[in-house]
Amino acid sequence: QSALTQPRSVSGSPGQSVTISCTGTSSDIATYNYVSWYQHHPGKAPKLMIYDVTKRPSGVPDRFSGSKSGYAASLIISGLQAEDEAVYYCCSYAGAHTGVFGGGTKVTVL
Amino acid sequence: QVQLLESGGGVVQPGGSLRLSCGATGFIFSNYGMHWVRQAPGKGLEWVAFAWYDGSNAYYADSVKGRFAVSRDNSKNTVYLQMHSLRGEDTALYYCTKGSDSGWYFDSWGQGTLVTVSS
Repeated sequence: QSALTQPRSVSGSPGQSVTISCTGTSSDIATYNYVSWYQHHPGKAPKLMIYDVTKRPSGVPDRFSGSKSGYAASLIISGLQAEDEAVYYCCSYAGAHTGVFGGGTKVTVL
Repeated sequence: QVQLLESGGGVVQPGGSLRLSCGATGFIFSNYGMHWVRQAPGKGLEWVAFAWYDGSNAYYADSVKGRFAVSRDNSKNTVYLQMHSLRGEDTALYYCTKGSDSGWYFDSWGQGTLVTVSS
């Protein structure tokens, strides 16, 4: 159950696109299509943004999208907005009814 | 809508025990698995434990296995996390989350309850 690897921070100007990577192993991301992403604003509960690699819950803007290739998953935020500034976490199923999160990526809107 | 309300956090000495509770409303509680996820100060999220929809099975992160126990009372729409042999590294905000009906994700979260392990 080693944590997934995310960059500590990414940044972009309003309207630009940013991509957050999430790298795992053969025990998690590479084997299962159960990657999810969470947005976390300080002092608030985390919010589900993407599940099952590419699916968006109702109410999440279509500016948010997800993908996966091999050992890595990605969250893409297109048309960056000020309210997107937050910490984003990836999470993967790791088998045997366990899961693992990434270390989190701080998105800064310049 | 789904609401999850955690309680039971507090300050406990190393080696001590604490039981967290999470009351759920807004969905058919007995149909869903429930998870606990924690966040240590200044750190990221860590998955901690998972209870099956009927409480018949439970699963744990290696970091808490043998010390923590998750259980649920479907008649009270409540899930619990019993924590023993607490260590400083267990200091965290503990979130209760609703599991998915397929796959592995957490579609609703509580606001968390803070556990501080300190002498």
